Amino acid sequence: EDQVTQSPEALRLQEGESSSLNCSYTVSGLRGLFWYRQDPGKGPEFLFTLYSAGEEKEKERLKATLTKKESFLHITAPKPEDSATYLCAVSGGGADGLTFGKGTHLIIQP
Amino acid sequence: NAGVMQNPRHLVRRRGQEARLRCSPMKGHSHVYWYRQLPEEGLKFMVYLQKENIIDESGMPKERFSAEFPKEGPSILRIQQVVRGDSAAYFCASSHSGVGGNTIYFGEGSWLTVV
Repeated sequence: EDQVTQSPEALRLQEGESSSLNCSYTVSGLRGLFWYRQDPGKGPEFLFTLYSAGEEKEKERLKATLTKKESFLHITAPKPEDSATYLCAVSGGGADGLTFGKGTHLIIQP
Repeated sequence: NAGVMQNPRHLVRRRGQEARLRCSPMKGHSHVYWYRQLPEEGLKFMVYLQKENIIDESGMPKERFSAEFPKEGPSILRIQQVVRGDSAAYFCASSHSGVGGNTIYFGEGSWLTVV
């Protein structure tokens, strides 16, 4: 059974204070690892897809990396508008649905 | 921007009533997925459909829940005889082709409250 564990559960940073969110996964035959952002009362908003170890993708202040066991979402010089819950999910093992972690609730204080 | 459209956004039902949630996929997408998000829990896969076919319903509760994606019109998630434990956010998602590594895009969700 596919498993995704995200840490920390919650993270409070000062504006401009860079950090990383972790996503550890167990899956048989990874087909893709996904990062989403979710704001309160909204649906998940797609950020990145990573397919193989060593792959990296960037978008504005966010950078996602992937190894064989985990993925990191690095946030550089965050702003208050980056406050959200960040979700990690995997596709693999022949399953049709994504397996999600519980998310990291990120708060950026001005 | 024709994203994944869900309605209603909020729905209140009394115990024992039926809830119907509708989803129109993103333009050009023929694959639809339903997920449920319970308070303090992660998103859980429920069902995967293509037009007129249920491909994978391994995440659907065995009773009271059903889903369809007809040839014409939106996908429907139907919950019969709702109970308090059905209160949750239900998200629809769509993709251009099957999940296997393809990105799926989510709608804004339908929040069901059972009173």
